[in-house]
Amino acid sequence: AQKITQTQPGMFVQEKEAVTLDCTYDTSDQSYGLFWYKQPSSGEMIFLIYQGSYDEQNATEGRYSLNFQKARKSANLVISASQLGDSAMYFCAMREGNTGGFKTIFGAGTRLFVKA
Amino acid sequence: DTAVSQTPKYLVTQMGNDKSIKCEQNLGHDTMYWYKQDSKKFLKIMFSYNNKELIINETVPNRFSPKSPDKAHLNLHINSLELGDSAVYFCASSQDRGGRIIYNEQFFGPGTRLTVL
Repeated sequence: AQKITQTQPGMFVQEKEAVTLDCTYDTSDQSYGLFWYKQPSSGEMIFLIYQGSYDEQNATEGRYSLNFQKARKSANLVISASQLGDSAMYFCAMREGNTGGFKTIFGAGTRLFVKA
Repeated sequence: DTAVSQTPKYLVTQMGNDKSIKCEQNLGHDTMYWYKQDSKKFLKIMFSYNNKELIINETVPNRFSPKSPDKAHLNLHINSLELGDSAVYFCASSQDRGGRIIYNEQFFGPGTRLTVL
């Protein structure tokens, strides 16, 4: 079974508008971390934001915010005021495990296109 | 200044050859990883090393052999390359001991695009 599900293979958004990228996860662990990474066409993986399973407040980093709904096991990324440079692949990831080894599992990604 | 570096950035080779990819991190992290990203952009963990000790091996063919001479380096050697090995290979590192372990993000290298002809 997939542990991280990103149901939107591609998304379009108009420049300066907000966009939400969906992510749902599956784990039986109580302690886990949720991350979003951006991969532009140049190929590098850029860390954007994280949310801990025990964090009560939604994480925010500049124009990025994470809409964390623990009961629904969702961790959607919200990008406000989209810019052309936001066009990229976006990966949701979950980190779980114990001192025997921590594993980060990635979703299939969502390709975001920002239109001028 | 570079946090996680990989060499080479591009690698084109023939089937059956043996090749290596090198990775170094200067972040002082204790854990390093190899990921494979296929043509559909799916990113999957291959190996994880903590302080030179293998802790995760995700059913990767034994033609792939990681080697960690010290905790700042994790190299990947691939024997008898096959067409299906063509992918982008990412090295990453994180600090997995002490503090908010589960919340520590991984820092990725720039990737090595391997093409097997």
